Amino acid sequence: GQQVMQIPQYQHVQEGEDFTTYCNSSTTLSNIQWYKQRPGGHPVFLIQLVKSGEVKKQKRLTFQFGEAKKNSSLHITATQTTDVGTYFCAGQYAGKSTFGDGTTLTVKP
Amino acid sequence: DAGVTQSPTHLIKTRGQQVTLRCSPKSGHDTVSWYQQALGQGPQFIFQYYEEEERQRGNFPDRFSGHQFPNYSSELNVNALLLGDSALYLCASSAQGEQYFGPGTRLTVT
Repeated sequence: GQQVMQIPQYQHVQEGEDFTTYCNSSTTLSNIQWYKQRPGGHPVFLIQLVKSGEVKKQKRLTFQFGEAKKNSSLHITATQTTDVGTYFCAGQYAGKSTFGDGTTLTVKP
Repeated sequence: DAGVTQSPTHLIKTRGQQVTLRCSPKSGHDTVSWYQQALGQGPQFIFQYYEEEERQRGNFPDRFSGHQFPNYSSELNVNALLLGDSALYLCASSAQGEQYFGPGTRLTVT
């Protein structure tokens, strides 16, 4: 079945440093979504990418979808303590949503 | 506008028992998906309901069943509970792909 891998599993950064998480799918995706989950909370939708090679920005967050629609990345510029949490990608294929196991970001002030 | 709501918040059951979890979608959303999230892992897709029918199903046994009502609310039923069913159960509603998650139900099986 479809698999979605995310790396790294954990990332510890100093406040102000950049952060990137990568997502790779075993199959070509219809689209990919990104979510953020704070400790003790539930996933919160960040963005959806649909087109091959698509790049979207939300303030300090930049999302990319690969040309083959099998990989994606989330980049945060100049991290802040409010960025802490686990970032998940979710690949959509054949009507089903497959989540990666997330990258947990901690930010040291 | 209320978001996605789930009940109960927490639940403790014994192996072999049955459990029913409930979800009310965000206003205007007609599609409800259920996920199981084990500690330290991403949510795993259980199934999706649309127009009161199961539209998609993940790799979960038949012990997991569901229902969607005419008002789009949904239930997740799990029979013959196993210790491994302990997890956070998340409901997500959607209208055009973007999923809104509820706070989840924390199920503990002892």
